[in-house]
Amino acid sequence: KAGVTQTPRYLIKTRGQQVTLSCSPISGHRSVSWYQQTPGQGLQFLFEYFSETQRNKGNFPGRFSGRQFSNSRSEMNVSTLELGDSALYLCASSLDPDRIYEQYFGPGTRLTVT
Amino acid sequence: QKEVEQDPGPLSVPEGAIVSLNCTYSNSAFQYFMWYRQYSRKGPELLMYTYSSGNKEDGRFTAQVDKSSKYISLFIRDSQPSDSATYLCAMSNNNNDMRFGAGTRLTVKP
Repeated sequence: KAGVTQTPRYLIKTRGQQVTLSCSPISGHRSVSWYQQTPGQGLQFLFEYFSETQRNKGNFPGRFSGRQFSNSRSEMNVSTLELGDSALYLCASSLDPDRIYEQYFGPGTRLTVT
Repeated sequence: QKEVEQDPGPLSVPEGAIVSLNCTYSNSAFQYFMWYRQYSRKGPELLMYTYSSGNKEDGRFTAQVDKSSKYISLFIRDSQPSDSATYLCAMSNNNNDMRFGAGTRLTVKP
């Protein structure tokens, strides 16, 4: 069974631009969560989607948004990029939200904002 | 004080040593406890999860949870150079809120 895939793997953007990251969960997994990982803050939860609905949201500004499609694929968008948004963005999937303890991560998208 | 505390290390051990990795937490609502391994420039890989208190073994890895002390551990027996990675603890409550430790960087030297 294929794992979680994320595209693109690397991105370089300029301050003020916006970016869209994509995540395809493991086949059969319907819950998708997004995380931001930085050396200083570690892994921080962004949001979780299930059945095309955002169920949970972390403490991030409104510039961070996401959505989930009917096939469970998910995208996240960051508008008006800031230097501090440089991070590894990770997507993780699980069968459903109640099995978040058994979620599997993708390889991440490394975003660099200059 | 962070909800989950994990010593960032780095921790360096010789090949074959027993490694002990630990996390403490403050929120007694956590019910599931997970350990992830993350190689450089890769996503975290789920090693194992435990529900509530007790031990769980999987090959060379053993996870222990002591809810009374709010303390969890991961033991790696017969450590190998391929075990060199950052190990993250994580925990979740019944509302599926997850919190991660900062990660401990482990190096196993041949």
